[in-house]
Amino acid sequence: DAGVIQSPRHEVTEMGQEVTLRCKPISGHDYLFWYRQTMMRGLELLIYFNNNVPIDDSGMPEDRFSAKMPNASFSTLKIQPSEPRDSAVYFCASINGLAYNEQFFGPGTRLTVL
Amino acid sequence: AQSVTQLGSHVSVSEGALVLLRCNYSSSVPPYLFWYVQYPNQGLQLLLKYTTGATLVKGINGFEAEFKKSETSFHLTKPSAHMSDAAEYFCAVSLYLSGNTPLVFGKGTRLSVIA
Repeated sequence: DAGVIQSPRHEVTEMGQEVTLRCKPISGHDYLFWYRQTMMRGLELLIYFNNNVPIDDSGMPEDRFSAKMPNASFSTLKIQPSEPRDSAVYFCASINGLAYNEQFFGPGTRLTVL
Repeated sequence: AQSVTQLGSHVSVSEGALVLLRCNYSSSVPPYLFWYVQYPNQGLQLLLKYTTGATLVKGINGFEAEFKKSETSFHLTKPSAHMSDAAEYFCAVSLYLSGNTPLVFGKGTRLSVIA
């Protein structure tokens, strides 16, 4: 199994641009989580899905952030417009809902907004 | 609501010395507890987990943790540190087995191992 796949691994963009982060969960996993990691705030949950349906998006910082999961093998996190304070590492994680909450993390996308 | 406090954002030990990373949790119901490790430029990897049963849990790479309900603690230990243990360690808590409630992570502790 290839594990959770995220792309791109690094993204540098200018303030005001649209950014799209992508995630492919492990096949057969029915939960998908998006996290953001910064030095100041640590690891924060942004949103999570169960069977492609968003369950809790209360961690999404503001309307500039949106996430979709059109099918079981693909999810996107979009920031429009991006701001310098969005600079962070964004992680995607997936689990099999019966697996004692053992989340499998992707390698992350390091986003830098100039 | 549940929360996790990791005492010490940075711990430094000598190679071969005992590793002790502290984690205290707050939960209104019996918790499920986890330790994750993050190596530079990588995602988080599960070290060990406590769900039910034996309170001393053994994980990968020689790490273990003990759930102490009376102290609301889940400290991570390793008898002898190795250079390859240098990484960031995260304690996390969850209420449920099935993933209905996501994990809540501590701020992390960076472990440095000195030769």
